[in-house]
Amino acid sequence: EAQVTQNPRYLITVTGKKLTVTCSQNMNHEYMSWYRQDPGLGLRQIYYSMNVEVTDKGDVPEGYKVSRKEKRNFPLILESPSPNQTSLYFCASSPLAGGREEQYFGPGTRLTVT
Amino acid sequence: AQKVTQAQTEISVVEKEDVTLDCVYETRDTTYYLFWYKQPPSGELVFLIRRNSFDEQNEISGRYSWNFQKSTSSFNFTITASQVVDSAVYFCALSPQGGSEKLVFGKGMKLTVNP
Repeated sequence: EAQVTQNPRYLITVTGKKLTVTCSQNMNHEYMSWYRQDPGLGLRQIYYSMNVEVTDKGDVPEGYKVSRKEKRNFPLILESPSPNQTSLYFCASSPLAGGREEQYFGPGTRLTVT
Repeated sequence: AQKVTQAQTEISVVEKEDVTLDCVYETRDTTYYLFWYKQPPSGELVFLIRRNSFDEQNEISGRYSWNFQKSTSSFNFTITASQVVDSAVYFCALSPQGGSEKLVFGKGMKLTVNP
């Protein structure tokens, strides 16, 4: 089954404790992206990757890191989480098609930083 | 700069009513793509439709229909004879051609369909 998976689905952590949210897709998509969803703000892009070893900042990259060492995986790293990073996070992937293909979203990771 | 505006933040209707969700976008690109996604209470994002800027034909899929009007930069979504299962947050999104494949989302509109 074609899908994007994220782990964990739920995470409660404390300020400053490094964490990684994994994202994996099995569709051989070149493009992967991370979004965060906050009430009243919709979804905002954090980072994206057009291919292996190619990553770039989205609209809200502060406090996050990503890597793309393999085509299928695109982990999101919070080196020192803070309460303002409490949010619902989505990973997405799509073929590189000039924006005309829909993005496939993972199930979401709900992160709470206390 | 690209922008998507969903002016309605929340709508509540009674089952079987028709409801229209408004979406207005801004872009300087001549080629772009518009999308609607549904986010049910379970939280996942479900793709509903994609439309490119050169195709202004309206589309109907069952109880769902979409009205794309380039002249007013709008891509409205109508649910006919709404059902409780339509209760969700709906997002309109814009993707300019080429570049970063970036999706620009509206802030979403929460639809509640009451029995």
